[in-house]
Amino acid sequence: EVQLVESGGGLVQPGGSLRLSCAASGFTFSSYWMSWVRQAPGKGLEWVASIKQDGSEKYYVDSVKGRFTISRDNAENSLYLQMNSLRAEDTAVYYCARDRIDATGLYYFDQWGQGSLVTVSS
Amino acid sequence: EIVMTQSPATLSVSPGERATLSCRASQSVSSNLAWYQQKPGQAPRLLIYGASTRATGIPARFSGGGSGTEFTLTITSLQSEDFAVYYCQQYNNWPPRTFGQGTKLEIK
Repeated sequence: EVQLVESGGGLVQPGGSLRLSCAASGFTFSSYWMSWVRQAPGKGLEWVASIKQDGSEKYYVDSVKGRFTISRDNAENSLYLQMNSLRAEDTAVYYCARDRIDATGLYYFDQWGQGSLVTVSS
Repeated sequence: EIVMTQSPATLSVSPGERATLSCRASQSVSSNLAWYQQKPGQAPRLLIYGASTRATGIPARFSGGGSGTEFTLTITSLQSEDFAVYYCQQYNNWPPRTFGQGTKLEIK
């Protein structure tokens, strides 16, 4: 069974930093692109970042570029999101998601973790 | 950036009836569209990918259609567990991958 378990969320002051982790199991982690998707309280879903299997390609939504860093450790089956210079608008539940390739060679999110809440407030 | 627009924002339907949800893309995404279901306090769940292919374990009462810029998610014979928020998402042109704002399907 595929499992994605996020951790590391919590309350942080504006301008502060936080590192989220996602522990993966039940599949060959190193074979998949992985992503982070967030959801502000009462709002919709927003893609945040994605990373290729070997970490050689990374992509971010414009609002987090230069502040967030996605990374992975395939030996530990883990995905990370380092979040710096946090703002109130970064407050959200952050989901770890597995990317699945379809017949056209493009990717959708086929498995999701339960999420980790990040609250940015003074 | 491709903007995804879902309609209606809220849809009220009685159990046992059919619900049709719409999703429009600001430019063609071919058939590279997915639908997700989200219940309160839960993570999203993949329902449909490739615009019309049901994900593993998804009941046949869920069906997706459309291509290009216009898409639909149809749920026939609504069950109590189907009342939730539904999101469409394009993965044709990225970054960024973009979601619609969601349609809340509520019990009438």
